[in-house]
Amino acid sequence: NAGVTQTPKFQVLKTGQSMTLQCAQDMNHEYMSWYRQDPGMGLRLIHYSVGAGITDQGEVPNGYNVSRSTTEDFPLRLLSAAPSQTSVYFCASSLTPTYGYTFGSGTRLTVV
Amino acid sequence: GQQLNQSPQSMFIQEGEDVSMNCTSSSIFNTWLWYKQDPGEGPVLLIALYKAGELTSNGRLTAQFGITRKDSFLNISASIPSDVGIYFCAGHGSGGSNYKLTFGKGTLLTVNP
Repeated sequence: NAGVTQTPKFQVLKTGQSMTLQCAQDMNHEYMSWYRQDPGMGLRLIHYSVGAGITDQGEVPNGYNVSRSTTEDFPLRLLSAAPSQTSVYFCASSLTPTYGYTFGSGTRLTVV
Repeated sequence: GQQLNQSPQSMFIQEGEDVSMNCTSSSIFNTWLWYKQDPGEGPVLLIALYKAGELTSNGRLTAQFGITRKDSFLNISASIPSDVGIYFCAGHGSGGSNYKLTFGKGTLLTVNP
């Protein structure tokens, strides 16, 4: 099993550009989440999904969109990149959240 | 929103020393989890705790679920250089939300050989 796969690993965007961060898991997990990690801020929840076709906002959803058309994939879209979105983004999935989430290795995004 | 207060923010220790870090919350959690993040990687689950008062070990790591269900601590004994990383606590099951983990801000551990 590959686990949770995130692409790309690194990305530089110009302010105003849009892009999609990809996330795929092969563990048949229903729960998936996107977090951003900033120095001194820990992991903050952007959006989450409890199954295909069901998504909702987390703590810091502004400027991001998600969709969940399949169980395996949970892409995160940046609509119009801003320097404040410079961060490391983690996708995570879980069969049962009480047992924790499995994280991908992250996408490091820089917006200039 | 819910917050977890994790302390200390950072620790610099000598190889062989023991380490202790803790998390406190204003909310009750049903599950406490401890993760470790190596540089350039995603967090990896170390220990999960499901019952108030529970004490669980994983090798040199020991964690406890506080009796009030509002706190947890993690101990690392006889530290080694590969223990370097960021340690996060996370709580699950507060306020009826069954999907969400609430994370502390992390403890950065540096081990000097």
